Amino acid sequence: DAKTTQPPSMDCAEGRAANLPCNHSTISGNEYVYWYRQIHSQGPQYIIHGLKNNETNEMASLIITEDRKSSTLILPHATLRDTAVYYCIVRVATGGATNKLIFGTGTLLAVQP
Amino acid sequence: DGGITQSPKYLFRKEGQNVTLSCEQNLNHDAMYWYRQDPGQGLRLIYYSQIVNDFQKGDIAEGYSVSREKKESFPLTVTSAQKNPTAFYLCASKTARLAGRTGELFFGEGSRLTVL
Repeated sequence: DAKTTQPPSMDCAEGRAANLPCNHSTISGNEYVYWYRQIHSQGPQYIIHGLKNNETNEMASLIITEDRKSSTLILPHATLRDTAVYYCIVRVATGGATNKLIFGTGTLLAVQP
Repeated sequence: DGGITQSPKYLFRKEGQNVTLSCEQNLNHDAMYWYRQDPGQGLRLIYYSQIVNDFQKGDIAEGYSVSREKKESFPLTVTSAQKNPTAFYLCASKTARLAGRTGELFFGEGSRLTVL
């Protein structure tokens, strides 16, 4: 199973861009990169995912390096409500349609006023 | 509105008692999952089910049991055999019909179990 490595914590000033890195050097060619976030004592929330191309949605942008060994989640204008633990996950597929998503410990992003 | 509902939100249990956590979804999703989260840690997969009447063990299934008699429901029983049951339990669901791609996981709000 491909594993991910993220810094345990990061700070970001309110209104500035938050750039959250993730290393996934053992990723396979057909594995996707997913990002979720979890606000304290709530269920995780899906943010974005991608395979090899950069992706953008209303919440964030995902930049994946050409060799796919790392990625960066970008929150363009961080707000206090973006304070959460952010998980970078690589899809693992076992057998047929089983798609386990393995969550690591994530990055605690603290947005400062 | 569609979503996933977990109950109860908080639960206290005495040692040696079994307890069942409810998870219901009205998203018409095929796959459902149970995760456990301990303080300051990530999520660990307990059990998952791709279709009705079928489920598979995750990474930490010992001391837990599940059933999937209906598509909408995936209850988790924490048995007395689970040595450290105090944790935050999260249920999730995902459609399995997106051929060639994984769908996003939708999570419930969690159930916090405390063993006294």
